[in-house]
Amino acid sequence: GAVVSQHPSWVICKSGTSVKIECRSLDFQATTMFWYRQFPKQSLMLMATSNEGSKATYEQGVEKDKFLINHASLTLSTLTVTSAHPEDSSFYICSASRILAGVTYNEQFFGPGTRLTVL
Amino acid sequence: AQTVTQSQPEMSVQEAETVTLSCTYDTSESDYYLFWYKQPPSRQMILVIRQEAYKQQNATENRFSVNFQKAAKSFSLKISDSQLGDAAMYFCASGGAGSYQLTFGKGTKLSVIP
Repeated sequence: GAVVSQHPSWVICKSGTSVKIECRSLDFQATTMFWYRQFPKQSLMLMATSNEGSKATYEQGVEKDKFLINHASLTLSTLTVTSAHPEDSSFYICSASRILAGVTYNEQFFGPGTRLTVL
Repeated sequence: AQTVTQSQPEMSVQEAETVTLSCTYDTSESDYYLFWYKQPPSRQMILVIRQEAYKQQNATENRFSVNFQKAAKSFSLKISDSQLGDAAMYFCASGGAGSYQLTFGKGTKLSVIP
């Protein structure tokens, strides 16, 4: 159990276009989902935290108008990179915290990531 | 605020041998959790082991165990009987009990020598 999927797994787009990445918890309900960015050979950098039905909380330095996050249901969060530029090329990972019998476990389950390349 | 420090950018171990990865942390939380995650070349983050800070007993999961020293704020991971499939980046992470955010260390790249 506790499987998180991401779609697409990789995407190549032209500069100036927008790209949407989906994150789904397949077999559990997620109160909170997280979006990370990971540069090659580096650690995960938290971009934002999203709670179902409310606005996302962005980390300092992350442009909320650039990286739009929507958490419409307990199983789906989306990240849209608007007007993408080559510097947005990166590996984006989502994760989700699980609700189980009314208790939210302090554990994150990670999606497989999405590699974005902006030409 | 939380910080996690992994002082070993790279480590190597002979197959079937034991290796210990270091992690120190600092937190203002009174109740918190500590984790080790593995990221193989596929880049899928996999939870290796988890420790609740209020528990004195060190967590173990098969060949993986931790040495949790709360006073020293140290949380090392021991991998016994290392296997080729253990080769990966290992990230230490901490999270407060009241928050679901995790703070990650910079990672340790583990190589397993056949």
